[in-house]
Amino acid sequence: NAGVTQTPKFQVLKTGQSMTLQCAQDMNHNSMYWYRQDPGMGLRLIYYSASEGTTDKGEVPNGYNVSRLNKREFSLRLESAAPSQTSVYFCASSEGNSNQPQHFGDGTRLSIL
Amino acid sequence: AQSVTQLGSHVSVSEGALVLLRCNYSSSVPPYLFWYVQYPNQGLQLLLKYTSAATLVKGINGFEAEFKKSETSFHLTKPSAHMSDAAEYFCAVSDDVFNSGGSNYKLTFGKGTLLTVNP
Repeated sequence: NAGVTQTPKFQVLKTGQSMTLQCAQDMNHNSMYWYRQDPGMGLRLIYYSASEGTTDKGEVPNGYNVSRLNKREFSLRLESAAPSQTSVYFCASSEGNSNQPQHFGDGTRLSIL
Repeated sequence: AQSVTQLGSHVSVSEGALVLLRCNYSSSVPPYLFWYVQYPNQGLQLLLKYTSAATLVKGINGFEAEFKKSETSFHLTKPSAHMSDAAEYFCAVSDDVFNSGGSNYKLTFGKGTLLTVNP
């Protein structure tokens, strides 16, 4: 019972490099989300996808792009990484109803030098 | 837009003592509220949720929370702390959104409270 799987778990990049964070869920959920977590800031929503084929900006979308590849997979791309994007990134999924919780992956710890 | 305030970024208790973690929300409509726990180097795990069925909600690991509309609060409690409760706790409120994907919702999180349990 994997739930939400994120890859990679750790990554170190140089400023200006690009990379894609992968997320897959096996719960047949409609909605998927990307958050970043920084000390003292809680979790902030980057992008979300209400259903396959749709994506929308969250609170902090600048510097990121997303792709909802299919119902299972939702990727987050950093085109030109900046030190300010050093963070822990979490993917989550849910059925999409506001009374239902979101289920989280274990995170990707990203450092940008 | 909804917002969540968690009073106290760090709470320290002795093993066996009462745990009280505070959460206040702002919402123009009756909210759905959640408490999550995060252990070191892990993702967030749902502790409990309030969805208007009952004001006192019981969750996992002996935690419970009481929804008080008059105080716009949803404080988390546990009668007796255990060493394994040491973690960061997040309160979140559900916020409906309507966009290109149709109706959906997003969670707005508080900034978290780190719970330390002393032997």
